[in-house]
Amino acid sequence: DTAVSQTPKYLVTQMGNDKSIKCEQNLGHDTMYWYKQDSKKFLKIMFSYNNKELIINETVPNRFSPKSPDKAHLNLHINSLELGDSAVYFCASSRGDWRGEQFFGPGTRLTVL
Amino acid sequence: AQSVTQLGSHVSVSEGALVLLRCNYSSSVPPYLFWYVQYPNQGLQLLLKYTTGATLVKGINGFEAEFKKSETSFHLTKPSAHMSDAAEYFCAVSARSNFGNEKLTFGTGTRLTIIP
Repeated sequence: DTAVSQTPKYLVTQMGNDKSIKCEQNLGHDTMYWYKQDSKKFLKIMFSYNNKELIINETVPNRFSPKSPDKAHLNLHINSLELGDSAVYFCASSRGDWRGEQFFGPGTRLTVL
Repeated sequence: AQSVTQLGSHVSVSEGALVLLRCNYSSSVPPYLFWYVQYPNQGLQLLLKYTTGATLVKGINGFEAEFKKSETSFHLTKPSAHMSDAAEYFCAVSARSNFGNEKLTFGTGTRLTIIP
């Protein structure tokens, strides 16, 4: 069974479009995250939700809007896509304990043309 | 605030040789430290972590790391490299965020190449 899953795995789209990435975890974790990994492999946290409540919101353009319908799901919607949004987006989950492990999904490679 | 510096964006070692990947951290509070590995086209997987207690931490696939507070370091080692170790390795530090939950700050990663 996949612990943290993301769909789609690849996403190719034109500038200006709106797209969504979905994430689901079956680990029973309370906390979920979105990370962005750029072309140089640098990983940066974007958002974190705990029990459907937003708890970390880094400096991210407001074109990015996370939504958590329940604690097992965290989706990422991106409006008006720009070239610079091209990256790999990772979803992760954890128990929310700052000493604990985060479990990562396989990533969604977004390419904006 | 916390930060992580990984020295060497690329490291190449021969198969069977010692692997040493360097990580130094900065944290205003006692840190929790992690090493994650990312194989090509995959997500990150935890190799090992230091929370409290023993400063020499053993992880999966024969890797270990030693927490040295005086040097603010958490270097990753493996005595004998295997071809399957080729991957990107990330050091990360965790500290409590303003909201009470953890925030992982990652280093810039080190790509490990194994030479046959």
